[in-house]
Amino acid sequence: EDQVTQSPEALRLQEGESSSLNCSYTVSGLRGLFWYRQDPGKGPEFLFTLYSAGEEKEKERLKATLTKKESFLHITAPKPEDSATYLCAVEAAGNKLTFGGGTRVLVKP
Amino acid sequence: NAGVMQNPRHLVRRRGQEARLRCSPMKGHSHVYWYRQLPEEGLKFMVYLQKENIIDESGMPKERFSAEFPKEGPSILRIQQVVRGDSAAYFCASSPRTGGGTGELFFGEGSRLTVL
Repeated sequence: EDQVTQSPEALRLQEGESSSLNCSYTVSGLRGLFWYRQDPGKGPEFLFTLYSAGEEKEKERLKATLTKKESFLHITAPKPEDSATYLCAVEAAGNKLTFGGGTRVLVKP
Repeated sequence: NAGVMQNPRHLVRRRGQEARLRCSPMKGHSHVYWYRQLPEEGLKFMVYLQKENIIDESGMPKERFSAEFPKEGPSILRIQQVVRGDSAAYFCASSPRTGGGTGELFFGEGSRLTVL
């Protein structure tokens, strides 16, 4: 069974304080690793897809990287509007994405 | 270009009643996924449907839950005889599923079910 574990569960940052979120996974045959952002009361919003170890993607202050066992979401110089829950998901051989529990990020001004 | 539309956004039911949640996928998408999110937990897969077919229902509880995606109209997730443990946010997602895999999922805003 595919497993996805995200850490930490929660992260409190000062504005401008860079940090990284971890997503470790156990799957047989990774097809893709996905990062989503979810605001309270909203549906998840797609951020990135990574397909192979060594791949990196960037969007504004966010950068996602992938190794054979884990992915990192780096938040550089975060702003309060980056406060959200960040979800990691994997696609393996099945017909679905398997999600981790998420990391709740709070950026204080 | 409308996104994934879910309704109702909020639904309150008493124990033993039925809940029906509806989902219209993005235009051009014929693949629909339902996920459940319990408070303070991650998204759990329930079912994957194409038009008129259930492809994978491995995450669906065996009793009281059913899903359909008819040729015409929205996908429906139906929960019969609801219990308090069914209280959760139910998210629908759609995908064009080009390239053979699941690919990027586009999520709706969710339907929040409260069972009294």
